[in-house]
Amino acid sequence: QQPVQSPQAVILREGEDAVINCSSSKALYSVHWYRQKHGEAPVFLMILLKGGEQKGHEKISASFNEKKQQSSLYLTASQLSYSGTYFCGTGGLPGNTPLVFGKGTRLSVIA
Amino acid sequence: KAGVTQTPRYLIKTRGQQVTLSCSPISGHRSVSWYQQTPGQGLQFLFEYFSETQRNKGNFPGRFSGRQFSNSRSEMNVSTLELGDSALYLCASTVGSGSTDTQYFGPGTRLTVL
Repeated sequence: QQPVQSPQAVILREGEDAVINCSSSKALYSVHWYRQKHGEAPVFLMILLKGGEQKGHEKISASFNEKKQQSSLYLTASQLSYSGTYFCGTGGLPGNTPLVFGKGTRLSVIA
Repeated sequence: KAGVTQTPRYLIKTRGQQVTLSCSPISGHRSVSWYQQTPGQGLQFLFEYFSETQRNKGNFPGRFSGRQFSNSRSEMNVSTLELGDSALYLCASTVGSGSTDTQYFGPGTRLTVL
C-alpha cells in the first residue's frame, strides 16, 4: 500500500518553515525521505528505523511515530535550494517487503 | 566510486514493440530495485532483485519482467508496449535490503511510447 503524503504541494518564502507528513496503513519498519529536483534522480535525505532516534541534517530533520505509522519531515528556515519534490518511502521487514514510495510533495521556495 | 548507471537514457518506441532497459549498480551493491515514475503517481515499485533472485514484485502486469546477472547488473523488459507505459524508469541500488538501506538512484531511462 502506497503511503499518503500531505500536503501535495506547498509554496514557501525563503526563511519559512514547512512540515511534510507521511502516513501508512501498514506497520512500518523504516521510513526513507528523498528529494528530487526537476529532471534529476531522487537524492537520499535520511532513513528512520523502528526504534531509532529522530534524525537531522542541518535544517532538515524528521521524526517517526511507529505507533501511528507516521513520519514527518521538518524543513526550517527554508532556502531556495530546498525546492523540489519530496518523497517518503516506507518499508517493512528487511528482505520481505520492498520500499514503497508516496506520490510526493512539491515544495517551492521563492525569494 | 561510480554511481548507478542506466542505459539508454532515452527511448522512443511504438505500441506493440518491446524494450529492454539496463541498470548497473554501484560496485559492491547486491540489491537492485526498479521503479516507474509518472506525473501524479510518484514512484511505483516494479521489482527488487538481490543476488540474482527476485525478492519482491510490485503490482504490474506480466508484460513487465526483469532479471539480475551475477555481476549485479540488472535488466528490465517490457513487452507489447502500451501508451500508458510512457514513463521515467528508475533503478536504485543498495548494499543489502531495499527497505532498510540507502537507495542510490540512477538518472533513469525516459521511455516514450507512440
